[in-house]
Amino acid sequence: GAVVSQHPSRVICKSGTSVKIECRSLDFQATTMFWYRQFPKKSLMLMATSNEGSKATYEQGVEKDKFLINHASLTLSTLTVTSAHPEDSSFYICSARSLARAYQETQYFGPGTRLLVL
Amino acid sequence: QQQVKQSPQSLIVQKGGISIINCAYENTAFDYFPWYQQFPGKGPALLIAIRPDVSEKKEGRFTISFNKSAKQFSLHIMDSQPGDSATYFCAASMGTDKLIFGTGTRLQVFP
Repeated sequence: GAVVSQHPSRVICKSGTSVKIECRSLDFQATTMFWYRQFPKKSLMLMATSNEGSKATYEQGVEKDKFLINHASLTLSTLTVTSAHPEDSSFYICSARSLARAYQETQYFGPGTRLLVL
Repeated sequence: QQQVKQSPQSLIVQKGGISIINCAYENTAFDYFPWYQQFPGKGPALLIAIRPDVSEKKEGRFTISFNKSAKQFSLHIMDSQPGDSATYFCAASMGTDKLIFGTGTRLQVFP
């Protein structure tokens, strides 16, 4: 149990275009979802926290107008990178947490999305 | 106070040996300490987690040792295998607050 999927697994886009990444919890309802960014050989950097039906909370330094997060249902959150530029190229990972599970603090991670902006 | 310090940065172990990764924290309000395993190009996978009311937790070949007074916790991988070669992250959180991750340890297990 506790499976989280992401789509697409990798995407290549031209500079200036927008890219949407989907994160789904497949076998549980995710009351909270998180979006991370990871650079090569580095740790995970939290970008934002989203709760179903409410606005996302962004970490300091993350542009909320550039990284749009929507948590429309208990199983789906989306991250849209607007007007992407080469510096946005990175590995984006989502995670999901459910208060209904035994370990309420546990975050289950998706497989990640590799974004390359040309 | 929000940092979690992880060491070593990289670790090379022979097959069958014990891999030990250490983490230290300062915020005594942290009450949940998970370890994640990440293979290249994949998302992190939860390995094992502990709360501060116990000093040790074992799941298969993986053991967390927790020292509340020293504010340290460590991951021990017994009988390390080449398939264990990955990057390991410790983390900490206060309740359901966000996870604070360590910097990661790249483990290589040679046959």
